[in-house]
Amino acid sequence: DADVTQTPRNRITKTGKRIMLECSQTKGHDRMYWYRQDPGLGLRLIYYSFDVKDINKGEISDGYSVSRQAQAKFSLSLESAIPNQTALYFCATSTSGGSYTGELFFGEGSRLTVL
Amino acid sequence: AQSVTQPDIHITVSEGASLELRCNYSYGATPYLFWYVQSPGQGLQLLLKYFSGDTLVQGIKGFEAEFKRSQSSFNLRKPSVHWSDAAEYFCAVGTYSGGGADGLTFGKGTHLIIQP
Repeated sequence: DADVTQTPRNRITKTGKRIMLECSQTKGHDRMYWYRQDPGLGLRLIYYSFDVKDINKGEISDGYSVSRQAQAKFSLSLESAIPNQTALYFCATSTSGGSYTGELFFGEGSRLTVL
Repeated sequence: AQSVTQPDIHITVSEGASLELRCNYSYGATPYLFWYVQSPGQGLQLLLKYFSGDTLVQGIKGFEAEFKRSQSSFNLRKPSVHWSDAAEYFCAVGTYSGGGADGLTFGKGTHLIIQP
């Protein structure tokens, strides 16, 4: 089983609908991240969380919200989806403290299409 | 704020030929540097990383990268590419502060095409 699991893997929805992408991890990491990938733009950070009570906005947080339900779970929500939120979304985790190396461990991605 | 530039959007290389993918970063202190690979339809896999020590770093799948502080570069190399190396390659930079960082900043990627 994957260490970082994203659901759903693929989703097609309509403009204005609320969408939730879920991420769970078995790596025991404190830090979790949501990135968005668009062709030609690389990966851009949406939100990140250092622990259950610590949520931070990334580069492109507008139109998104997150919830850290537990150390192992980090969800991304689109309250009212719009077509330019069509993208591939990645969840990632990392260690912290003395064992930190900066490396991110990625899930397999959730492809979202907003019509 | 840190940034990463990958000057080449696409690169085409013949199978068996050598490869170099360029990466330049902008950051005021010594950064953490990474190369990730994304095969079609897949997530991102770490190829190698640098955060201290020897500036020539060995990674998986026969890749290596060299950190050159004077040039703010971290170029990825492979002496002989295989058709399975066709993928998207991302360079990323991370910063360290107080036990962790705000994630990594990624370049826009280089798409590698392998010719038979």
